[in-house]
Amino acid sequence: DAMVIQNPRYQVTQFGKPVTLSCSQTLNHNVMYWYQQKSSQAPKLLFHYYDKDFNNEADTPDNFQSRRPNTSFCFLDIRSPGLGDAAMYLCATRNRGLETQYFGPGTRLLVL
Amino acid sequence: RKEVEQDPGPFNVPEGATVAFNCTYSNSASQSFFWYRQDCRKEPKLLMSVYSSGNEDGRFTAQLNRASQYISLLIRDSKLSDSATYLCVVWGATNKLIFGTGTLLAVQP
Repeated sequence: DAMVIQNPRYQVTQFGKPVTLSCSQTLNHNVMYWYQQKSSQAPKLLFHYYDKDFNNEADTPDNFQSRRPNTSFCFLDIRSPGLGDAAMYLCATRNRGLETQYFGPGTRLLVL
Repeated sequence: RKEVEQDPGPFNVPEGATVAFNCTYSNSASQSFFWYRQDCRKEPKLLMSVYSSGNEDGRFTAQLNRASQYISLLIRDSKLSDSATYLCVVWGATNKLIFGTGTLLAVQP
C-alpha cells in the first residue's frame, strides 16, 4: 500500500562521508520533491524534478545533489555531510495539474 | 516577513475542548491553502484543503479570509489523538508549497 517509500528510515554517517538517500513512488507522479526539515522548523524545499527537469532552490547548498533516473526513483546525494545537515529528509510527489503532495515517511539523518 | 506565519504554540487543551489555530500569508496571489498534520518524527499528512469559503470535515472546520489573508482551523471536541503539529501550507505563486512552522497541539486527558 505504501505509495512513497524512503530508504533507509534512519541513516547514520560520519562527518564528511558521502551518503545517498533514496525515494521511490508507486503513484506514477511526474513531480518529485526533496525537503529538509530540522527540529521545530518548517520543511525546507531543496529541489524538485518536473519529469526530468531539475529545479534547484537558490539557497540549496552545493553539497546537496539529486538524481532521478526514472519516474519512480529519486535520490538525494550529500557529498560531504556536516553536523548541520543532520535533519529529517522528506520526499514528496505530486501529479501534474494537481496541488496535493504526498510525502514519504522520511529519512532521519544523523551525522557524527 | 515570513510568507506563512503561525503561532507556534504549544496549545495545551483538555479533552473535549474546542481549539482554533490561525495562520496568515503574505502573498495575495496565493490560490490554494491547506492544513497538514505532522506527528512527532513522522511525515506531514494532508488534513484538509481550504478553498474559497472554507470547508468542514467532521470535527474539523477550515476557513479562509482572502481579504485579511488568513486561514483558520477549528477543532471541536478535541481527542487525545489530535495531539500533533498542525502546519499551515500555501500553494505559492511559484507553484511550490510554502509551509508555516506549525502549531503544536497537546490534548490533555
